[in-house]
Amino acid sequence: DAGVTQSPTHLIKTRGQQVTLRCSPKSGHDTVSWYQQALGQGPQFIFQYYEEEERQRGNFPDRFSGHQFPNYSSELNVNALLLGDSALYLCASRTTGGKETQYFGPGTRLLVL
Amino acid sequence: ELKVEQNPLFLSMQEGKNYTIYCNYSTTSDRLYWYRQDPGKSLESLFVLLSNGAVKQEGRLMASLDTKARLSTLHITAAVHDLSATYFCAVSYNTDKLIFGTGTRLQVFP
Repeated sequence: DAGVTQSPTHLIKTRGQQVTLRCSPKSGHDTVSWYQQALGQGPQFIFQYYEEEERQRGNFPDRFSGHQFPNYSSELNVNALLLGDSALYLCASRTTGGKETQYFGPGTRLLVL
Repeated sequence: ELKVEQNPLFLSMQEGKNYTIYCNYSTTSDRLYWYRQDPGKSLESLFVLLSNGAVKQEGRLMASLDTKARLSTLHITAAVHDLSATYFCAVSYNTDKLIFGTGTRLQVFP
């Protein structure tokens, strides 16, 4: 049973570019959340997707957008990259309505130069 | 807004010793999580605590929750080097949005 998977593992971009990160949830999970973790800090919630819609959003600008597909996989898009967007981007999944934990993927490390 | 504080931020402890990490949160929460993160790695789920007085144990780690005091503790018994990592607590209330603490970086030395 595959856990949460993310791609790519590492990415280097320059300021002003756009990036797309991908996530496949754990088998049986239908809810995907995205987090940004800057170096030395705890993860910060970006947004959550369920039934192909954004259900909740954290305090991130509109440059951050996402999508969920019918197979529950998800994408995170960041436009007009800034140096401060350099971070580890984590995807987490769970089954909606359950009390279980959220399972995190291995993350995508983004470096913006 | 829900805020989470952990202390200590850094913890250097000798193998075989016991210690406790504290997690305080500011408003009502219905779920509290503990995660472990190794350097450069993702988050590994340790415990989910759902109710007041909940206690869970796995190996040398034991987590407890006091919802009245808005406090959770992660107790380490007879520490070993393999426990060296950063430990995060996270809380949520009626939502999947997790609010994470600052993390406690634990180093266990011989």
